[in-house]
Amino acid sequence: DAGVIQSPRHEVTEMGQEVTLRCKPISGHNSLFWYRQTMMRGLELLIYFNNNVPIDDSGMPEDRFSAKMPNASFSTLKIQPSEPRDSAVYFCASSYGVLQETQYFGPGTRLLVL
Amino acid sequence: KNEVEQSPQNLTAQEGEFITINCSYSVGISALHWLQQHPGGGIVSLFMLSSGKKKHGRLIATINIQEKHSSLHITASHPRDSAVYICAVTNFGNEKLTFGTGTRLTIIP
Repeated sequence: DAGVIQSPRHEVTEMGQEVTLRCKPISGHNSLFWYRQTMMRGLELLIYFNNNVPIDDSGMPEDRFSAKMPNASFSTLKIQPSEPRDSAVYFCASSYGVLQETQYFGPGTRLLVL
Repeated sequence: KNEVEQSPQNLTAQEGEFITINCSYSVGISALHWLQQHPGGGIVSLFMLSSGKKKHGRLIATINIQEKHSSLHITASHPRDSAVYICAVTNFGNEKLTFGTGTRLTIIP
């Protein structure tokens, strides 16, 4: 199994540009999570999906952030327009089952907004 | 909102020492997770537990539901155990993880 796949691994962009992060969960997993990690705030849940449906997006910082999961094998997190304070590592994780299941993390995307 | 606290924030020990990292939370949970984040940034799930104790190799995790407290123990610590250890909890009724701030462990040869 390839594990959770994220792309790109690194992204450097200028303020105001659109950024799209991509995630492919582990095959067969039906829950997908987007997290953000910064030095100041640690790990934070942004949004999670179950069976491709967004369940809780209360962690999404503001309207500049949006996430989609068009099918069971692909999800995107988009930031438009990007700002320097969005610089962080963004992790995607997936799990199987409804509750209390181990989450498997992708390698993360390190985003730098100049 | 569940408050998750870890202690200590930083821990340096000599190779071979027995290590204990603590985690406490404020509201009843459905499960508690211990994660390991390597210096390169990758995150690995070590344990998920809702009661009692789990053991994997040199790692042991315990949880006391009544006291809302969990501990992660490492026996015969090794420099490769150097990492940030993160406690996280899931609340009843959903899969959201609430994270502690992490404990940075450094094992000196």
